[in-house]
Amino acid sequence: EPEVTQTPSHQVTQMGQEVILRCVPISNHLYFYWYRQILGQKVEFLVSFYNNEISEKSEIFDDQFSVERPDGSNFTLKIRSTKLEDSAMYFCASNRQGSEQYFGPGTRLTVT
Amino acid sequence: DQQVKQNSPSLSVQEGRISILNCDYTNSMFDYFLWYKKYPAEGPTFLISISSIKDKNEDGRFTVFLNKSAKHLSLHIVPSQPGDSAVYFCAASNSGGSNYKLTFGKGTLLTVNP
Repeated sequence: EPEVTQTPSHQVTQMGQEVILRCVPISNHLYFYWYRQILGQKVEFLVSFYNNEISEKSEIFDDQFSVERPDGSNFTLKIRSTKLEDSAMYFCASNRQGSEQYFGPGTRLTVT
Repeated sequence: DQQVKQNSPSLSVQEGRISILNCDYTNSMFDYFLWYKKYPAEGPTFLISISSIKDKNEDGRFTVFLNKSAKHLSLHIVPSQPGDSAVYFCAASNSGGSNYKLTFGKGTLLTVNP
């Protein structure tokens, strides 16, 4: 069965550094998302992406965040200058028309 | 801003019995509701969904009930199995369709004892 994949599984970075989290959505899906879950808290929506542009973003998704679909398979989340409070699990999700969202296994980001 | 609430952080049931997980929401614009299951070190896995035009949806051992007037939904698992032990998230959207953001509850840890 097709799956959403994410790399790396764990990323450790220093405060102020840039990180890129990578996702490969399911191949026939057209709608892509990033969510995050800070330890002990709920899963929170960050951004949705369709037709090569952002459809919706949350208050969390400020100027330090960006997303890109650089080719036909990858979907990336970039954090330009990481802060301690960016430490979280980041989940990528995708769906096709009219379907539920499928989530990847997540990337654990640790900012020190 | 708790638009989706799961008030029970944990639930423990015996194998073979019914598990009932509850979820309340406050946003009357929500019209599409989903349950996801999550194991440690994995992403959420879709279980079952329901749109606001229905009050019940069933898939095998899993049934979701929606009470729109009470803004309440529940997930019933019958019979419960040890492999069902996981965190269960309720999620809601106000534009169920193709391009929609999900608002999640905090989750309920279900433990099914053999």
